[in-house]
Amino acid sequence: QQPVQSPQAVILREGEDAVINCSSSKALYSVHWYRQKHGEAPVFLMILLKGGEQKGHEKISASFNEKKQQSSLYLTASQLSYSGTYFCGTEGGSQGNLIFGKGTKLSVKP
Amino acid sequence: KAGVTQTPRYLIKTRGQQVTLSCSPISGHRSVSWYQQTPGQGLQFLFEYFSETQRNKGNFPGRFSGRQFSNSRSEMNVSTLELGDSALYLCASSLGPASTDTQYFGPGTRLTVL
Repeated sequence: QQPVQSPQAVILREGEDAVINCSSSKALYSVHWYRQKHGEAPVFLMILLKGGEQKGHEKISASFNEKKQQSSLYLTASQLSYSGTYFCGTEGGSQGNLIFGKGTKLSVKP
Repeated sequence: KAGVTQTPRYLIKTRGQQVTLSCSPISGHRSVSWYQQTPGQGLQFLFEYFSETQRNKGNFPGRFSGRQFSNSRSEMNVSTLELGDSALYLCASSLGPASTDTQYFGPGTRLTVL
């Protein structure tokens, strides 16, 4: 079942913070975050695994609440380069496939 | 290290035709996943191949099929094309299973069905 992302779109000024949320109706084994700039391929940001393990970029911060089946991506002191569409992908078992949300479009203005 | 490559980059077909898309993963990667991306729908999972075996399949009709070769290169085939198949098809490779490993996406193949 497709995870729900919120907000669908957000506009920020440089230096502002943003939080993107990802919710699932089923128990999660892992949550993946990717960013896609217009006309480009999605790029990996972070994986959060059940049990607390994380793999990702040092400058990216995210949380995974296993009980609530939610994940949040924290973007602090935003830069123009943060603009793009952010996708979360969820997976409900170690042998399952990733199901991505519809994306959150982030625009950072000068 | 070369990235994920997809060929062709653009395709125009007519309804009823079939099409084959190709994906070459990063050297050493054993998993290849395919996604369909359309405006407003995000990334929809098609299938994942790992060491030549289909590991998972998404909710797409049987007209969509794929395979993976011993060198990890993968192809996907769409038969009897419909207008709704127009989309960007992305493949992604990872060292291990996509569910627990970083995926590296290719630039995609833009398919237009007329």
